[in-house]
Amino acid sequence: GAVVSQHPSRVICKSGTSVKIECRSLDFQATTMFWYRQFPKQSLMLMATSNEGSKATYEQGVEKDKFLINHASLTLSTLTVTSAHPEDSSFYICSARDQGGGRSQPQHFGDGTRLSIL
Amino acid sequence: DAKTTQPPSMDCAEGRAANLPCNHSTISGNEYVYWYRQIHSQGPQYIIHGLKNNETNEMASLIITEDRKSSTLILPHATLRDTAVYYCIVSAGSGNTGKLIFGQGTTLQVKP
Repeated sequence: GAVVSQHPSRVICKSGTSVKIECRSLDFQATTMFWYRQFPKQSLMLMATSNEGSKATYEQGVEKDKFLINHASLTLSTLTVTSAHPEDSSFYICSARDQGGGRSQPQHFGDGTRLSIL
Repeated sequence: DAKTTQPPSMDCAEGRAANLPCNHSTISGNEYVYWYRQIHSQGPQYIIHGLKNNETNEMASLIITEDRKSSTLILPHATLRDTAVYYCIVSAGSGNTGKLIFGQGTTLQVKP
């Protein structure tokens, strides 16, 4: 089945550091990928839609200069948390859909990246 | 905001069927019903989806009412490993409009 790989799985770094998270679709192509954030005991919150070859679309309240998204190929999207601070500590998850699988093809999720900012 | 309503929690005995309800009274004609589950500290796992017909796969069955305003996910023989948060989501599917908006889901606890 469709597999989405996310790397790294865990990051611990100092405040002020920028952190890059990669999301890859391993056996299919995806023109669109999605980035979510999940705080403890809460549901997933959609942050942005990553579009291959064009700018990402951010949800209301998400700072585009804080969370840089690059979708340079049909199998890779990256999320960079710039100048991270403790309040950015969260579980970041990406998803992607096989664009060749039809309109209803489900999204598949990566295993998430747990980011801890000290 | 999520366009679905689910009970916050449910219990189920191991080996019995787990029936998880979902209300989506404002669903549009082009929207599908998707079910995902999330086991602690992992990404959501796709379970099943449907438009208007009932669906079955190796994991579960999905029953959608004729008016499409509600659905039920059925895990026929629940095991302890099925303990998770289950999310019912309606979405148009492809492209930008196909983004998934997660509600609070149902926490299913399967008990021995």
